[in-house]
Amino acid sequence: DVKVTQSSRYLVKRTGEKVFLECVQDMDHENMFWYRQDPGLGLRLIYFSYDVKMKEKGDIPEGYSVSREKKERFSLILESASTNQTSMYLCASSSRERPQHFGDGTRLSIL
Amino acid sequence: AQKITQTQPGMFVQEKEAVTLDCTYDTSDPSYGLFWYKQPSSGEMIFLIYQGSYDQQNATEGRYSLNFQKARKSANLVISASQLGDSAMYFCAMRGEGGSEKLVFGKGTKLTVNP
Repeated sequence: DVKVTQSSRYLVKRTGEKVFLECVQDMDHENMFWYRQDPGLGLRLIYFSYDVKMKEKGDIPEGYSVSREKKERFSLILESASTNQTSMYLCASSSRERPQHFGDGTRLSIL
Repeated sequence: AQKITQTQPGMFVQEKEAVTLDCTYDTSDPSYGLFWYKQPSSGEMIFLIYQGSYDQQNATEGRYSLNFQKARKSANLVISASQLGDSAMYFCAMRGEGGSEKLVFGKGTKLTVNP
């Protein structure tokens, strides 16, 4: 079974902090994704990566950056956290034309 | 641009009955894929079923089936013999245009199964 592991289920940070959300997959997938989920808005894509060191902006990249130095790891970075970034963050991975597999999510609160 | 519409914010069904969750889509790409995911209250997204635009038959996976009507651009999820554990959010999604691996999601339907 595919395993996508997100580093934290719950995280509380302060406004202005630099926040790192980590995601690791164990199936050698080339594609990895970061979404945020807000009530009534569904899932919105922040960034995705189709190979090591490659990335593309999704629908809502503002205020975020990503890093993919190794194939199995995809990090989401909030450069200077703000309260409007309080949300559920979901990481996913996939191989070409196959379904995306998701991690358990990180509920992030910015105070 | 691609779009997924789920018009039912919430649905209720009695245990052991069947339920249909609606999904309509819009795309100009002749080749696309449609997915359904389940999200229990614990938060993880669970892949349920996939339908390719060129698939001749409707997809089925156990109690889940996909009623794919290409001309109407609909891909409704049918859950047969509902169980209490089916209570969750359900999301319809489409693979991105031009062969992109990105998914576009609908806003979801909250299904409640009553005993």
